[in-house]
Amino acid sequence: KQEVTQIPAALSVPEGENLVLNCSFTDSAIYNLQWFRQDPGKGLTSLLLIQSSQREQTSGRLNASLDKSSGRSTLYIAASQPGDSATYLCAGYYNQGGKLIFGQGTELSVKP
Amino acid sequence: GAVVSQHPSRVICKSGTSVKIECRSLDFQATTMFWYRQFPKQSLMLMATSNEGSKATYEQGVEKDKFLINHASLTLSTLTVTSAHPEDSSFYICSARGALAKNIQYFGAGTRLSVL
Repeated sequence: KQEVTQIPAALSVPEGENLVLNCSFTDSAIYNLQWFRQDPGKGLTSLLLIQSSQREQTSGRLNASLDKSSGRSTLYIAASQPGDSATYLCAGYYNQGGKLIFGQGTELSVKP
Repeated sequence: GAVVSQHPSRVICKSGTSVKIECRSLDFQATTMFWYRQFPKQSLMLMATSNEGSKATYEQGVEKDKFLINHASLTLSTLTVTSAHPEDSSFYICSARGALAKNIQYFGAGTRLSVL
């Protein structure tokens, strides 16, 4: 069964701290992995998408890595800001079934 | 990036009424659309997948007669919650995928349904 797990479920850090969010997946036959941001009561904003042939993607203060062999992805946020407070979701796309499988999300709170 | 518009953003209705939610792809042809449901502080759960012109494929445990999905054109899919009850209150999100980029889904902003 294809499952995606995120740890921790919630994280609170002081402003300026660098942090890492973790995502693990059970099926290594992943086609791509995507990180999303969701603000309370809002839809999803795509942050980064890593194809299975890639190791990492960077956008501004965000860096996402993908290690298929270990079934893990990380989202690194540098110099966190209060505006980064949101829920971060990772999702793996599998050709088999053609579906995005979502993790449970990590609720991030950055304190000023 | 591609834009998916979802309407309404919020709806409040009385128990027993039906509610229709629209999902439109504004700048691409969506051959496949997906409908998700999200409970507070939980992840997105896929309800159904619909291909244009075909019947939707529902996930296990999702009532087909309760959640009617129509995908009659390449730019529009609708989800109708029939005879809504308070337990149907949730956040519903649609996403769309085109024929060219089959491994990328674009998401709508979601619809908050509250059934009184």
